[in-house]
Amino acid sequence: EAQVTQNPRYLITVTGKKLTVTCSQNMNHEYMSWYRQDPGLGLRQIYYSMNVEVTDKGDVPEGYKVSRKEKRNFPLILESPSPNQTSLYFCASGTENLRAFFGQGTRLTVV
Amino acid sequence: GNSVTQMEGPVTLSEEAFLTINCTYTATGYPSLFWYVQYPGEGLQLLLKATKADDKGSNKGFEATYRKETTSFHLEKGSVQVSDSAVYFCALLSGSARQLTFGSGTQLTVLP
Repeated sequence: EAQVTQNPRYLITVTGKKLTVTCSQNMNHEYMSWYRQDPGLGLRQIYYSMNVEVTDKGDVPEGYKVSRKEKRNFPLILESPSPNQTSLYFCASGTENLRAFFGQGTRLTVV
Repeated sequence: GNSVTQMEGPVTLSEEAFLTINCTYTATGYPSLFWYVQYPGEGLQLLLKATKADDKGSNKGFEATYRKETTSFHLEKGSVQVSDSAVYFCALLSGSARQLTFGSGTQLTVLP
């Protein structure tokens, strides 16, 4: 089954404690992306990757890092999380025309 | 830069009512346009798309027409069902930047 898998689905952490949200896709897509969803703001792109070892900033990259060492994985790293990074995060992967397939989301709370 | 503006929700309708969710966009060049749907507790799913002016995307009874002259891509359905209750996002794909830009989403609730 074609899918994008994120882990964990839910996470509560404390300010400053490094965390990683994993994202894996099994569709051999070159394009992958991270978004955060906040009430009234829709989805905002954090980072995206057009291919292995190629990553670019989206609209709200501050406080986040990503890596793309292999095609199927695109982890999102928060080196020092802060409460304003409490949000719902979605990973997506896409085809050549960038039809995006989304993961089920990771709800992160930073206290 | 690119932007997408959706009508604000929430929208509450009775079953079998007609639905319109307005979407207008600002973009350079000739973007592709999309509607995504998010059911409770799930990620976004592509509902329909249109890649050039005057194209009509359709799926599951939903339709939207790419109107370049009015920079709009309004979502319509003739008769909504309770199962259509979800959040709907309009989005555009900028060919040069290859990024999806989303609207803020519209919550639709359909009552039996």
